[in-house]
Amino acid sequence: SQTIHQWPATLVQPVGSPLSLECTVEGTSNPNLYWYRQAAGRGLQLLFYSVGIGQISSEVPQNLSASRPQDRQFILSSKKLLLSDSGFYLCAWSVLGSTDTQYFGPGTRLTVL
Amino acid sequence: GENVEQHPSTLSVQEGDSAVIKCTYSDSASNYFPWYKQELGKRPQLIIDIRSNVGEKKDQRIAVTLNKTAKHFSLHITETQPEDSAVYFCAAGSNFGNEKLTFGTGTRLTIIP
Repeated sequence: SQTIHQWPATLVQPVGSPLSLECTVEGTSNPNLYWYRQAAGRGLQLLFYSVGIGQISSEVPQNLSASRPQDRQFILSSKKLLLSDSGFYLCAWSVLGSTDTQYFGPGTRLTVL
Repeated sequence: GENVEQHPSTLSVQEGDSAVIKCTYSDSASNYFPWYKQELGKRPQLIIDIRSNVGEKKDQRIAVTLNKTAKHFSLHITETQPEDSAVYFCAAGSNFGNEKLTFGTGTRLTIIP
């Protein structure tokens, strides 16, 4: 069966510091991968999605970037965090080649102080 | 692009009564409509989904209806229980073009014992 991992689970970072969040999927090949952000009490904002290695689509221009160095690895990065970057970051995967169910990882709760 | 509107934003229901959450979508090409449940601090989890070739789908106390002509779909929860309290998100997606889901803004459902 498929499993999706995210780490770290929680993170507290100062403003201006860099960020790296990692997501990996097991048990499937060539998945679509997605990064979402959820502000406290709010909905799901799609940040990036990828349909293959090195293929990244950005949904919202901001100080974040994403990379997919391996088939089942998706990384979210920032060079300098802002206060507004605080939130719950969720990675998700779905079957490549179709709009289908997205399965979410456990999330990373980021607090920027 | 697709736009999904979800109502109501909050809903309080007496335990044992029914709850209905409604969503409308704008893109007639959308053909996949999942519903997710998110408990506090947890990841969204798929509870039911429907594709455009059917008008209704039921799974125990949960049902989803789809009206393609009017471009709206609804989640119905019968015999509500305290564990149904959560935030519910609808979404819409299409196999034509990109492989994204567009999410509604969420409904916070509270079951009153």
